[in-house]
Amino acid sequence: ETGVTQSPTHLIKTRGQQVTLRCSSQSGHNTVSWYQQALGQGPQFIFQYYREEENGRGNFPPRFSGLQFPNYSSELNVNALELDDSALYLCASSLGSIGIAAGELFFGEGSRLTVL
Amino acid sequence: EDQVTQSPEALRLQEGESSSLNCSYTVSGLRGLFWYRQDPGKGPEFLFTLYSAGEEKEKERLKATLTKKESFLHITAPKPEDSATYLCAVPRSGGSYIPTFGRGTSLIVHP
Repeated sequence: ETGVTQSPTHLIKTRGQQVTLRCSSQSGHNTVSWYQQALGQGPQFIFQYYREEENGRGNFPPRFSGLQFPNYSSELNVNALELDDSALYLCASSLGSIGIAAGELFFGEGSRLTVL
Repeated sequence: EDQVTQSPEALRLQEGESSSLNCSYTVSGLRGLFWYRQDPGKGPEFLFTLYSAGEEKEKERLKATLTKKESFLHITAPKPEDSATYLCAVPRSGGSYIPTFGRGTSLIVHP
């Protein structure tokens, strides 16, 4: 059984650029959530995808967008990068999107984004 | 708006010195609570789900309890490998169970 994998692990961008982060969910999990974690903070919910459709969104602007593919892998895209977008971006998968089991998330190790 | 507050922000213990971490929350109608552990530079690792007030869960040296207003994570006779940030989370309002996280408690256990 493979866990959640994310790529790239680290990347540096400049303000105004665009970035795509990728995630492969744990085997058998059909729901993917993305979180942003700034230094010293808890993870902040960006959005969730269930069976290729957005299933919930946090307080993030539209320049944060995502996709989920038929194999349940996912992408997070951020346009017009700002300095405050520098953070650890975490992908998590879960077995389903409803019921309390949906809160039992399996996280990847994250993608560390630095915006200069 | 849902809010999760964890205290203390940081805690230093000697090996074997038991203590407790606190998680208080303001949600309308608690529908469970989650505890996670996060090692530096890693993603959080799921520890426990507590479903209702009065419930307790244990795993090795960790014991989580839940009341109607707060949760405690008790650490008994900790070891250096218990050093990590411990995150508490509650389901978002609106019916989903997507976790809303607190800022965490950074625990360091000295040998």
